[in-house]
Amino acid sequence: SQQGEEDPQALSIQEGENATMNCSYKTSINNLQWYRQNSGRGLVHLILIRSNEREKHSGRLRVTLDTSKKSSSLLITASRAADTASYFCASDLLTGNQFYFGTGTSLTVIP
Amino acid sequence: DADVTQTPRNRITKTGKRIMLECSQTKGHDRMYWYRQDPGLGLQLIYYSFDVKDINKGEISDGYSVSRQAQAKFSLSLESAIPNQTALYFCATSERDRGRGTGELFFGEGSRLTVL
Repeated sequence: SQQGEEDPQALSIQEGENATMNCSYKTSINNLQWYRQNSGRGLVHLILIRSNEREKHSGRLRVTLDTSKKSSSLLITASRAADTASYFCASDLLTGNQFYFGTGTSLTVIP
Repeated sequence: DADVTQTPRNRITKTGKRIMLECSQTKGHDRMYWYRQDPGLGLQLIYYSFDVKDINKGEISDGYSVSRQAQAKFSLSLESAIPNQTALYFCATSERDRGRGTGELFFGEGSRLTVL
């Protein structure tokens, strides 16, 4: 079973709009990470947020973490066609040292 | 050269054959992982290793085995391949994050396996 789930499964927006993806996880974590995958390629790390952090920014990316709700969100501002990809959250479990990925959100940015 | 290299990139085989997927890294990381990706299911953890003598099962280890030959090399084997093992397989490496937990994962480009 997947440790994390993402919502929505698919998202289509116009260039310039903001895109928000949500991630829920099941057990306590050390950190949560977001990755991007272009079709059929290896995943690329975007941002890491630790369990004692609530918000982080990196360029046009903003990530929030709510450990009480076991959820995180990724906001991409001023989206570009090149942002079209699948986005995955991954949770680093506090116990067991395992690192699990969610089911992903497929983002399409229309020029 | 890529930091994490997977071979082969594509492989077509028949049911019952033994298959080995190889992964090597130049990152100098202790932690290595094997994941499989099926459409719509994200990535599922098969095995992970935190050093040469430490190998652990992930969520879907049945039908798979691994070998950590050196810090830089981590191989995944399918002893007797079956069609539902057709998938995209990824190797990844990482360090610890600030002494605790898992840091950023670096991925290979994937090995696409088709079992007929």
